[in-house]
Amino acid sequence: EDKVVQSPLSLVVHEGDTVTLNCSYEVTNFRSLLWYKQEKKAPTFLFMLTSSGIEKKSGRLSSILDKKELFSILNITATQTGDSAVYLCAVEAGNYGQNFVFGPGTRLSVLP
Amino acid sequence: NAGVTQTPKFRVLKTGQSMTLLCAQDMNHEYMYWYRQDPGMGLRLIHYSVGEGTTAKGEVPDGYNVSRLKKQNFLLGLESAAPSQTSVYFCASSYDWEGHNEQFFGPGTRLTVL
Repeated sequence: EDKVVQSPLSLVVHEGDTVTLNCSYEVTNFRSLLWYKQEKKAPTFLFMLTSSGIEKKSGRLSSILDKKELFSILNITATQTGDSAVYLCAVEAGNYGQNFVFGPGTRLSVLP
Repeated sequence: NAGVTQTPKFRVLKTGQSMTLLCAQDMNHEYMYWYRQDPGMGLRLIHYSVGEGTTAKGEVPDGYNVSRLKKQNFLLGLESAAPSQTSVYFCASSYDWEGHNEQFFGPGTRLTVL
């Protein structure tokens, strides 16, 4: 059975801290790993990772994938209160892009 | 360009009632999906479609039916609602880019079944 696990499930930090969110997976026919940020409503896309060892960066956020060890991390440096959200990790698996398996999410709270 | 839209945004049903949720996308995407999201459980795939006229079951299909008569629309039906179907429902669409898919999500529908 395909599975995506995220840790920690919840995290509270203060502004300026650096955080690392973890995502591990076991799926059949891995195609890509995606990170989303979910605030009040719909998830919004952050990164898509397909190759091991290549870091993706967007401002203070960065992510990397290890396909050998089957995990990814999402780093957020110099956190701000606006980073407070649930961060979802999803793995695209299967042959036709129909199978997206989501983890439970990490709820990040950034205190001023 | 509205992206992915969902109607309605909120709905309250009594047990046994039926309803249809509508998802529409204007990005010409081939793939469309329906998810439900419950507290602490991330998103779970209900049904999906890889093209007009095709549908398939996801992880949690029981109690739901879908139809994709037009490429831009994906309908989710509940024939006889149950309290266990109280959830937030998200529709998504995606395109295949160099063999990988990026999903775009609608704003969600909050459904309560009493």
